[in-house]
Amino acid sequence: QQQVKQSPQSLIVQKGGISIINCAYENTAFDYFPWYQQFPGKGPALLIAIRPDVSEKKEGRFTISFNKSAKQFSLHIMDSQPGDSATYFCAASSEDTNAGKSTFGDGTTLTVKP
Amino acid sequence: EAEVAQSPRYKITEKSQAVAFWCDPISGHATLYWYRQILGQGPELLVQFQDESVVDDSQLPKDRFSAERLKGVDSTLKIQPAELGDSAMYLCASSRLRGRDEKLFFGSGTQLSVL
Repeated sequence: QQQVKQSPQSLIVQKGGISIINCAYENTAFDYFPWYQQFPGKGPALLIAIRPDVSEKKEGRFTISFNKSAKQFSLHIMDSQPGDSATYFCAASSEDTNAGKSTFGDGTTLTVKP
Repeated sequence: EAEVAQSPRYKITEKSQAVAFWCDPISGHATLYWYRQILGQGPELLVQFQDESVVDDSQLPKDRFSAERLKGVDSTLKIQPAELGDSAMYLCASSRLRGRDEKLFFGSGTQLSVL
């Protein structure tokens, strides 16, 4: 049973546009939601993370929006750049697990066209 | 910034052969993880170490996979015998502690192809 569902599977955006990736979770015990960025041939790297006590977190051009009642969270990339082209994974973990046991989504491949 | 080192980067082997992957975590990181990442999917945890001890290997196919971290520093993941379905990226990650919000640092992985 997949506990974190990510969409879309792939996304093409023009340079300067907004990229939006969505994730939905089922386990209400999840209380930490990181996003990872993975370039081809590299391991994932933590991009930004949020706890459910806030509805939004922004770091530079990257924003996480969180909707606890809907059990959904999303990543917004403002002013998308070709260098943002990568695969993005959402994840979730709970107090009785740890970051390494996070449940990952299946990823979204983002292509930003110049 | 310090990095998690993995080798080899690529490994091609025939089924029924043995393969081994090596990982050197960031210095001082007590927690080490091995993941398998199938193309088009997120990482799947195989085994977790705290220092030299295995704390979770519930997802490790123990009939063919083994992992060790003898001195609590670097680690080796072995597959014997390799099967076609083992073709995947094998990622190692480390973190300073085991908390749910600990930052994971991933290596660049070993891409395994089983022919």
